[in-house]
Amino acid sequence: DVKVTQSSRYLVKRTGEKVFLECVQDMDHENMFWYRQDPGLGLRLIYFSYDVKMKEKGDIPEGYSVSREKKERFSLILESASTNQTSMYLCASSLDTGNQPQHFGDGTRLSIL
Amino acid sequence: GQQLNQSPQSMFIQEGEDVSMNCTSSSIFNTWLWYKQDPGEGPVLLIALYKAGELTSNGRLTAQFGITRKDSFLNISASIPSDVGIYFCAGQLRINDMRFGAGTRLTVKP
Repeated sequence: DVKVTQSSRYLVKRTGEKVFLECVQDMDHENMFWYRQDPGLGLRLIYFSYDVKMKEKGDIPEGYSVSREKKERFSLILESASTNQTSMYLCASSLDTGNQPQHFGDGTRLSIL
Repeated sequence: GQQLNQSPQSMFIQEGEDVSMNCTSSSIFNTWLWYKQDPGEGPVLLIALYKAGELTSNGRLTAQFGITRKDSFLNISASIPSDVGIYFCAGQLRINDMRFGAGTRLTVKP
């Protein structure tokens, strides 16, 4: 079974802090994704990576950056956290052959005070 | 980006009843996916569909990829209490272009 592990289930940070969300997958997937999930807005793609050190912006990249130094790990960084970044953050990964489905982690519920 | 139209938004059913939900889009997709999400958890993949017209089952779940490639449905037969949760459809055109429905919240009364 695919295992996507997010480092924290719940996180509380303060406005202006630099926040790191970590995601690790154990299936040697090439593609990794970061989404945020908000009531009424569904899942929205923040960033996507198709290889080590490669990244592409998704629909809502503003205020975020990402890092992929190793194939199994994809980090989401909030450079200066703001209250409107309070959300559920979901990491996903997929194989790079055809339209393979994305597999999700359990999510990190982030609150910015 | 354009999200999918998923209906119904919520369903309240008795244990043992069958359930049907669907997703439509104005765009075509190469892959349709159905996920289930429990409270406080991430979405779990239930069924993946790769060809127009494809009908696939996973236990009591059956899903179909519409012929026009713009829609899909999910049926759950003989519902049980653990079927409770939010069901999402997703349409994928390319690796980095997956669109999601808003979800169907299913409540099963014993």
